[in-house]
Amino acid sequence: EVHLVESGGGLVQPGGSLRLSCAASGFTFSSYSMNWVRQAPGKGLEWISYISSSSSNIYYADSVKGRFTISRDNAKNSLYLQMNSLRADDTAVYYCAREIVLKYWGQGTLVTVSS
Amino acid sequence: EIVLTQSPATLSLSPGERATLSCRASQSVSTYLAWYQQKPGQAPRLLIYDASNSATGIPARFSGSGSGTDFTLTISSLEPEDFAVYYCQQRSNWPLTFGGGTKVEIK
Repeated sequence: EVHLVESGGGLVQPGGSLRLSCAASGFTFSSYSMNWVRQAPGKGLEWISYISSSSSNIYYADSVKGRFTISRDNAKNSLYLQMNSLRADDTAVYYCAREIVLKYWGQGTLVTVSS
Repeated sequence: EIVLTQSPATLSLSPGERATLSCRASQSVSTYLAWYQQKPGQAPRLLIYDASNSATGIPARFSGSGSGTDFTLTISSLEPEDFAVYYCQQRSNWPLTFGGGTKVEIK
């Protein structure tokens, strides 16, 4: 069974940094591309980043380009999102999801940016 | 960026009724369109991919149609568990984009 578990969320001050992790199990992680998608409280879904299976292709939404960095460690079956220069409008639940047809999602981790 | 516009924003229906949800793209996405269901406090669930293909385990009452710029998600007969928010998403071009969602609520 495919399982994705996000961690690393929490409360951070504006301008701060946070690193999210997504632990994958139940499938051959190194064979699949991965994404981060976020959802601000009471709002819709926003795709923010993609990484191909070998990390050769990486894409970002304009809203996070230059501030967020996606990466993966296939040996550890893990996906990461390094978030720098955080702003209040980055407050959201952050989901990891497999492939660009987002068939499998984690349960999400809440990031709150506030002073 | 491809903008997806979903309508209506809210659909008020009774159990057993048919629900028809629309998603319109600002430019052609061919058939690279998916539909997701999201309930409060839960992650989204894939219902339909590539416009008309049902994801694994999705009940037959859910169906998708369309191509190019106009797409429809149909729920043939609403069950109590179908009252939720539904999102469309395109994978034709980067960035991936979602529609704003349609909330299907109990009338």
